Amino acid sequence: AQSVTQPDIHITVSEGASLELRCNYSYGATPYLFWYVQSPGQGLQLLLKYFSGDTLVQGIKGFEAEFKRSQSSFNLRKPSVHWSDAAEYFCAVGAGSGNTGKLIFGQGTTLQVKP
Amino acid sequence: DTAVSQTPKYLVTQMGNDKSIKCEQNLGHDTMYWYKQDSKKFLKIMFSYNNKELIINETVPNRFSPKSPDKAHLNLHINSLELGDSAVYFCASSLIYNEQFFGPGTRLTVL
Repeated sequence: AQSVTQPDIHITVSEGASLELRCNYSYGATPYLFWYVQSPGQGLQLLLKYFSGDTLVQGIKGFEAEFKRSQSSFNLRKPSVHWSDAAEYFCAVGAGSGNTGKLIFGQGTTLQVKP
Repeated sequence: DTAVSQTPKYLVTQMGNDKSIKCEQNLGHDTMYWYKQDSKKFLKIMFSYNNKELIINETVPNRFSPKSPDKAHLNLHINSLELGDSAVYFCASSLIYNEQFFGPGTRLTVL
């Protein structure tokens, strides 16, 4: 069965520091992988996605993520965090062709940014 | 130019009532979804329609009934509301197997 684990429930970083949010997945085939961000009281916004090809993907707002098949990981990174990055971050795996396309989400990581 | 919209944004109601949440997308997508986000922010798929055909029907009480009148709309009707139904419900849309775009959510509070 598909599953996604985000080991860090809550992370606090100082503004300007680098950030890495961890995501591990379990899926039998090549996964479709996503990172979404949810600001308080808002919907989810797609940061980036991986379907195939280059394992380092660039997203919006200066975020990037690297797909590592050997580690079943898709960690999200940002070199310098801004106060506006404080939000909830969700990693998700999607079933690809031949399945239903539904997303399985991790439990989310709350990012707090210290001034 | 809202992409995925939901109404209402907030819904407060008494136990036992029936309520509906509406969702519309103007992205030309062929697939729409309903997700439930609980108090711990965990997101779980409930239903999905592709070209008006139900393709995902997770383990959800049959008090919940989705309906898709056309590809741009997906509504969620809930009968006999219970306290445990309190959550944020998100609608999303996509071209199937592609990234999903989410609406702003409907916060349902059952008293």
